[in-house]
Amino acid sequence: SQQGEEDPQALSIQEGENATMNCSYKTSINNLQWYRQNSGRGLVHLILIRSNEREKHSGRLRVTLDTSKKSSSLLITASRAADTASYFCATDKSGTYKYIFGTGTRLKVLA
Amino acid sequence: DVKVTQSSRYLVKRTGEKVFLECVQDMDHENMFWYRQDPGLGLRLIYFSYDVKMKEKGDIPEGYSVSREKKERFSLILESASTNQTSMYLCASSRPWTGGSYEQYFGPGTRLTVT
Repeated sequence: SQQGEEDPQALSIQEGENATMNCSYKTSINNLQWYRQNSGRGLVHLILIRSNEREKHSGRLRVTLDTSKKSSSLLITASRAADTASYFCATDKSGTYKYIFGTGTRLKVLA
Repeated sequence: DVKVTQSSRYLVKRTGEKVFLECVQDMDHENMFWYRQDPGLGLRLIYFSYDVKMKEKGDIPEGYSVSREKKERFSLILESASTNQTSMYLCASSRPWTGGSYEQYFGPGTRLTVT
C-alpha cells in the first residue's frame, strides 16, 4: 500500500485564496518532501521537512509535520494560476533509501 | 542549472519489442532512479542505482532491467514490451543517501505507449 496518501484528491480555488493539502503516512520516517508536477512533466522538489521539525517555510509555502499523527500539510498562500499542478508528498522509510510517493492532489487555481 | 534529461518525450512501440529508455544527469549524482507513473497509483519505483554497475530492485521490477555503465547515465530496458507497460516513465537522480536527507531531481518523463 502507499506510504503517503494525499487529501483531497482534487482542489479548485480562486486566485488569491490559500490552498491546503494534506498527506498521511504509515511508518516512521526520517523526513518528508513535497513535490509539484505540472501537467505531463517531471516532478519539481518544493520543500523537505525533517522528522524533528514541526514547521518550515519557503516563500509562499508552509509545511507542517505532526509525527504523532503521521501527517503533514502543505499550505500555499495567495495562490496564482501558475500554481495549478499536482502536488505529491514523498516519505522515506527509516533505514531505507527509498522514497514512497503518494497519488497526489490536483490543484486548479482559477484566474 | 541542474539537469536530468530523458531520451524521448513520447515513444510508441509494438508488443514484444525491446525498448530502451535513456536518462542522463549532469550533477555528478551517485543515486539514480526509474519510476513509472500511472493514474491513481502515483509513482512506483522500478529500479534504483547507487553507483556505477550497482542496482537494486524497487517495488515493481518485473519485466524491466537496468544498466548503469557510466555515472551520468542510467538506462531502463523493457526486454519484451507488453501493453501493461504503457505508462509515463520518470527518471530521477540525487546525492548519496547520508542521514536520509536528499531531494530528487526529475527528468521530464517519457510517455510510452505499447500497442
